[in-house]
Amino acid sequence: ELKVEQNPLFLSMQEGKNYTIYCNYSTTSDRLYWYRQDPGKSLESLFVLLSNGAVKQEGRLMASLDTKARLSTLHITAAVHDLSATYFCAVDSGDSGYALNFGKGTSLLVTP
Amino acid sequence: DAGVTQSPTHLIKTRGQQVTLRCSPKSGHDTVSWYQQALGQGPQFIFQYYEEEERQRGNFPDRFSGHQFPNYSSELNVNALLLGDSALYLCASSLYRQGLGVEQYFGPGTRLTVT
Repeated sequence: ELKVEQNPLFLSMQEGKNYTIYCNYSTTSDRLYWYRQDPGKSLESLFVLLSNGAVKQEGRLMASLDTKARLSTLHITAAVHDLSATYFCAVDSGDSGYALNFGKGTSLLVTP
Repeated sequence: DAGVTQSPTHLIKTRGQQVTLRCSPKSGHDTVSWYQQALGQGPQFIFQYYEEEERQRGNFPDRFSGHQFPNYSSELNVNALLLGDSALYLCASSLYRQGLGVEQYFGPGTRLTVT
């Protein structure tokens, strides 16, 4: 059974600080996805990581993928309040359907 | 270009009833997947439709069924509703692109409450 584990599950951080969210998975899939979800809203795609060593950056967020360690990280640089949300990583099943298997999410709160 | 749309937005049903949720994919997308997201949890894959057939299914009972129409839109049906079926139901559309993988775009969801 494919497992996707995120940590931490809850994160409170001050504005201006840096932090990293970790995502471990158990499959050999090379494709890792990061999504953001605001309360009561749907999922917004942040990053699609398709190969070992992939690194993508958008604003204060940077995601990386190490397929050998089966680990992805989402690094937050100089956090601002607008980044407060729940962040999910997901791995696809690797077969024809590409069904996504999600972690439980990391609830991030950025405080002044 | 309209993104993924879902209807209705909210729905309240009684245990034992049946419900149908609807989804229209993003323009140009041919694959629709359905996910269930319980409160405080990550989405769980229900099933996926491609070329009007169920291509892949998650660990959900037969009470959950679906359909895809020739215009790629899709329905999710749940029979004999249980209290535990209360959740946000998300539809995602996608299109496979060689070398770029499959990026799934999610709709706004349907919030189902079973009383």
